[in-house]
Amino acid sequence: KAGVTQTPRYLIKTRGQQVTLSCSPISGHRSVSWYQQTPGQGLQFLFEYFSETQRNKGNFPGRFSGRQFSNSRSEMNVSTLELGDSALYLCASSLLTSGGQDTQYFGPGTRLTVL
Amino acid sequence: AQKVTQAQTEISVVEKEDVTLDCVYETRDTTYYLFWYKQPPSGELVFLIRRNSFDEQNEISGRYSWNFQKSTSSFNFTITASQVVDSAVYFCALRLGGGGATNKLIFGTGTLLAVQP
Repeated sequence: KAGVTQTPRYLIKTRGQQVTLSCSPISGHRSVSWYQQTPGQGLQFLFEYFSETQRNKGNFPGRFSGRQFSNSRSEMNVSTLELGDSALYLCASSLLTSGGQDTQYFGPGTRLTVL
Repeated sequence: AQKVTQAQTEISVVEKEDVTLDCVYETRDTTYYLFWYKQPPSGELVFLIRRNSFDEQNEISGRYSWNFQKSTSSFNFTITASQVVDSAVYFCALRLGGGGATNKLIFGTGTLLAVQP
């Protein structure tokens, strides 16, 4: 079974631009979560989607948004980029079985550099 | 508040040494899940193990073993006879349970393990 895929793998943008990152979950997985990883803040939860609905959101400004499509693929968007948005953005997928005994599997990440 | 603490920032060992990575967590929830992930230089987080709060049975899998103790809120990870390929950053993470309301993981700051040949 193919793992979680993320595109693009690397991205360079300038301040003020916007960016869209894509994530395709493992086949059959319906939940997708996004995380930001920076040297200063570590791994931080951005948001989580299930069945095209945002179920949970981390403490990030409104410039960070996401969505999920009917095939469970997800995109996240960052508008008006700032230097501090430079990070590795990781996507994770899970089955979301009942009872909460779920494991998230991560993709390779998209490394975003903002100049 | 929920929190995961990995006090060891960096550990350096010589190949074949045993090494234990510490993880202490904080939560008032009675149902929760603990995870260990490995992040090699490529960046992808690789799942290693999940433990449920109601299952304190410790586990050994090959060279890996895990020690979960609710009394001390610890979930430590040991690599026996370390190898160079074990060099990576290791993250401990907590997820709250209770009906499966969220998949949000709360991560520790990670421990960089360097195994020297």
